[in-house]
Amino acid sequence: KAGVTQTPRYLIKTRGQQVTLSCSPISGHRSVSWYQQTPGQGLQFLFEYFSETQRNKGNFPGRFSGRQFSNSRSEMNVSTLELGDSALYLCASSRTGGSSGNTIYFGEGSWLTVV
Amino acid sequence: TQLLEQSPQFLSIQEGENLTVYCNSSSVFSSLQWYRQEPGEGPVLLVTVVTGGEVKKLKRLTFQFGDARKDSSLHITAAQPGDTGLYLCAVLSSNTGKLIFGQGTTLQVKP
Repeated sequence: KAGVTQTPRYLIKTRGQQVTLSCSPISGHRSVSWYQQTPGQGLQFLFEYFSETQRNKGNFPGRFSGRQFSNSRSEMNVSTLELGDSALYLCASSRTGGSSGNTIYFGEGSWLTVV
Repeated sequence: TQLLEQSPQFLSIQEGENLTVYCNSSSVFSSLQWYRQEPGEGPVLLVTVVTGGEVKKLKRLTFQFGDARKDSSLHITAAQPGDTGLYLCAVLSSNTGKLIFGQGTTLQVKP
């Protein structure tokens, strides 16, 4: 079956701009989570959506937002970009997100460079 | 303070050597997961350990969950260049799809 698909794979933005990243989960998966990965901070949780509702949120400023559509596809938006937002943004999907018996699958990520 | 402390952070070894990666915490977990991330890709789940003292094997990889369910180790026997990557331990937070990751161990296996 098709895996988690993220677009775009690579992008370069200027400080102050905004960016929207897209994620298509595995068919049948209703939970979509977003993570930021940087060399200094590692993998950090941004937020999780389930059935179009944000169910959990990490410790990131309000410039980071997301949403989920009725087909479970998700988007995340970062406004007023800062140099420190340069990172690999990973999307992950699972059927329900909750239990240890529920495998979480990651996409290949979107590489964002802010200049 | 990191919930999960991984060590070592970097490891560069020759093909054929053995190695162990550790994931430690002061908290007790109901389960713990290990992922491997190769350059340009997202993390891929290797194993989930659930029971204290549990040992799971995946070919040349052996995973152990501590008796008190606070720590875990990953042992690779006769490492190969294909084992090169970032190894991450992680725990699920409550009942949502939130994974908390350790900082990771970057492994380089030289031919």
